[in-house]
Amino acid sequence: QVQLVQSGAEVKKPGASVKVSCKASGDTFTNYYIHWVRQAPGQGPEWMGIINPGGYRMTYAPKFQGRVTMTRDTSTSTVYLQLSSLRSEDTAVYYCAGVSSAAAAGTPPDYWGQGTLVTVSS
Amino acid sequence: DIQVTQSPSSLSASVGDRVTFSCRASQSISTYLNWYQQKPGKAPKLLIYAASSLQSGVPSRFSGSGSGTDFTLTISSLQPEDFATYYCQQSYSTPITFGQGTRLEIK
Repeated sequence: QVQLVQSGAEVKKPGASVKVSCKASGDTFTNYYIHWVRQAPGQGPEWMGIINPGGYRMTYAPKFQGRVTMTRDTSTSTVYLQLSSLRSEDTAVYYCAGVSSAAAAGTPPDYWGQGTLVTVSS
Repeated sequence: DIQVTQSPSSLSASVGDRVTFSCRASQSISTYLNWYQQKPGKAPKLLIYAASSLQSGVPSRFSGSGSGTDFTLTISSLQPEDFATYYCQQSYSTPITFGQGTRLEIK
């Protein structure tokens, strides 16, 4: 199984960008798809997208297309989420979550990071 | 996008009660429906996947059923640690979508 540890809280101004990291340990990093999910205060989770084990195929939620970039660095077993043109509505806890590439299509992620609070405020 | 709608939005129950949560998809999603439990300040925890498969390590008092558009999560006998918010999620197609949640409170 894999453990996912995320970077610390961020405070950004409107219009800026943020890059959140998610470092994997415990199992072979390239065996996992990584999802990104965010949760605004008092709201339900919201799926942002997924990056494949090789890091060459990403699927983004249409809502974030054009503002989001997901990348992975296999040398450091780290996945990154970058979100640009931040606005106050982007204030949320951002989670990475992993699912084994051996699992059937549609299997949800069962390994989650601890979450990273991103606050967007002027 | 496929919409998933949960009911009720909140529920009050006592330890030992049997409780049921509902989730309805806006179109057929076969059995690509998952249930999560979330406690304040914590990441969601996967309970049930593929509508009725119990995630490893989850107590057997949790069960799921349904297919197509209508799904149910049941807790057979509530324990104190079960008071939390429950979310359903469809993974039939992207964008993956979550329900708005059902908050389970102590009566």
